[in-house]
Amino acid sequence: GQSLEQPSEVTAVEGAIVQINCTYQTSGFYGLSWYQQHDGGAPTFLSYNGLDGLEETGRFSSFLSRSDSYGYLLLQELQMKDSASYFCAVRENLDTGRRALTFGSGTRLQVQP
Amino acid sequence: DAGVIQSPRHEVTEMGQEVTLRCKPISGHDYLFWYRQTMMRGLELLIYFNNNVPIDDSGMPEDRFSAKMPNASFSTLKIQPSEPRDSAVYFCASSFSEYEQYFGPGTRLTVT
Repeated sequence: GQSLEQPSEVTAVEGAIVQINCTYQTSGFYGLSWYQQHDGGAPTFLSYNGLDGLEETGRFSSFLSRSDSYGYLLLQELQMKDSASYFCAVRENLDTGRRALTFGSGTRLQVQP
Repeated sequence: DAGVIQSPRHEVTEMGQEVTLRCKPISGHDYLFWYRQTMMRGLELLIYFNNNVPIDDSGMPEDRFSAKMPNASFSTLKIQPSEPRDSAVYFCASSFSEYEQYFGPGTRLTVT
């Protein structure tokens, strides 16, 4: 089986930097994705790490360490519109050889003025 | 492109009724996924298709749920008979790969 752990809630102030961690336990690990979901909205893709290291996309960066089964999403220069839930998702090879994406339970980020 | 299109956006039905949710993926995408989201269980993968073929339906809760993809531009998720515990938001997503998926706006289903 597989499991992902991420904090349930994080609070930060506008302009600050926040890091959302994700640890995972899975066999057949392939990569780690991050998604953002605003209340009442649909998840939207933010980034993907297939290899160790840092991926940067504007104010958002994502990091992966395969040896530590750990990744994080880094949000810089926080804005009020960044208040949302953030999901890490593991791309894995199943026992059947098929690949799937399993989502964590999400981290609710509240940005305060 | 209009993105992934789902209908209806909201559905309220009585227990025992049949419910059909519809999805039109982004043109050219060869993966299509159906998810269910609830506060208690989070975002769960129900089934996914590749090139219109069901690849993994291990997430389908029970025989009351069925999904079809008759062609590359249309998929349905059917619940028959529906039960109150099926109340959730159902998302359809499409993509070129498993890791970068584009989600539709979702269908909020309420079964009374």
